[in-house]
Amino acid sequence: EAQVTQNPRYLITVTGKKLTVTCSQNMNHEYMSWYRQDPGLGLRQIYYSMNVEVTDKGDVPEGYKVSRKEKRNFPLILESPSPNQTSLYFCASSVAGGSGANVLTFGAGSRLTVL
Amino acid sequence: GQQLNQSPQSMFIQEGEDVSMNCTSSSIFNTWLWYKQEPGEGPVLLIALYKAGELTSNGRLTAQFGITRKDSFLNISASIPSDVGIYFCAGQNTDKLIFGTGTRLQVFP
Repeated sequence: EAQVTQNPRYLITVTGKKLTVTCSQNMNHEYMSWYRQDPGLGLRQIYYSMNVEVTDKGDVPEGYKVSRKEKRNFPLILESPSPNQTSLYFCASSVAGGSGANVLTFGAGSRLTVL
Repeated sequence: GQQLNQSPQSMFIQEGEDVSMNCTSSSIFNTWLWYKQEPGEGPVLLIALYKAGELTSNGRLTAQFGITRKDSFLNISASIPSDVGIYFCAGQNTDKLIFGTGTRLQVFP
């Protein structure tokens, strides 16, 4: 089944403890992206990647890192999480990032709580 | 970063009623998209609009690309309980996709 898989789905952690949220897609998509969803703010883009070894900042990149060493994986790294990073995170992928082709397939989400 | 304004923020309706929601922007977009997010899931694409003035249907859903290219509308006719969820609009230019703030829909039997 074509899908985007995120892990973990739920995580409670403490301030400053490094964590990684993994994202993997099995559709050979070139474009991958991370979003955070907060009440009243909708989906905001954190980072995106047009292809392997190419990553760019989205609208809210502060406090996050990403890497794209392989086409299928796009992990989101929080080096020193803070409570304002408590949110619902979504990974998404699409065939390409160009106009008209950006039909995103989303993962099921990872709910992160930072105490 | 830019966000699109969606209204209403939330809706509580009775099964069988029609629903209308809209999305507005201060910028022009070349493509408008509507996604639905069900509880515990990621958003799923419902309708894509590529041309100003375009009206597109998907079952009971109808969406329109505003003539000014700064807005879009989504209508759901004869709502059913499984229409519950958060509806997001998204505007796209080249490789930049901006999402709206979402409209939360609750349908009561």
